[in-house]
Amino acid sequence: AQKITQTQPGMFVQEKEAVTLDCTYDTSDQSYGLFWYKQPSSGEMIFLIYQGSYDEQNATEGRYSLNFQKARKSANLVISASQLGDSAMYFCAMRGGSWGKLQFGAGTQVVVTP
Amino acid sequence: DVKVTQSSRYLVKRTGEKVFLECVQDMDHENMFWYRQDPGLGLRLIYFSYDVKMKEKGDIPEGYSVSREKKERFSLILESASTNQTSMYLCASSLTGITEAFFGQGTRLTVV
Repeated sequence: AQKITQTQPGMFVQEKEAVTLDCTYDTSDQSYGLFWYKQPSSGEMIFLIYQGSYDEQNATEGRYSLNFQKARKSANLVISASQLGDSAMYFCAMRGGSWGKLQFGAGTQVVVTP
Repeated sequence: DVKVTQSSRYLVKRTGEKVFLECVQDMDHENMFWYRQDPGLGLRLIYFSYDVKMKEKGDIPEGYSVSREKKERFSLILESASTNQTSMYLCASSLTGITEAFFGQGTRLTVV
């Protein structure tokens, strides 16, 4: 069975600073995908970044990077140079298994302060 | 752009009613998902479908059923709504495998 754990329920970060959101996972699958989504107060789910289990390099998308440590089963999201618009709930997710079941962690609420 | 559309943004139903939540995607995706989102619990998978008429239970299927008669449409059914099913419901779709999913805007269901 797959499991995603996000241990930080909430974080405050100052504008222009970097922030790291923790995510650990558990799976018996050899092939799986790891994702981060952002959910602002408007409620929409915005896909941020993807890391495949066989990708050797860490994924990056603009100010987002995913720190993938396969042996430790962790997939932390790093947001560099935080902006006020980064205030949102952030979810870590994983897909795997025969049919690509997609499961989410509990989320981390990020508040960026001026 | 992928579009996933949920039929209602807000819904209020009475206890015991049969409730249908509809979701339509326009990108010929094989996989579709239904989640409920509650504060502190994240998104919990109710059901997912990997092809027409094919479905798998997620983590919290009790009290729900689903229907996928056409590839583009995935319906979530609450056979007899209860107050503990008051929640935000999110539908998503994706290609098969381990690609990202695209989400609808959500339906906030209140059961009174």
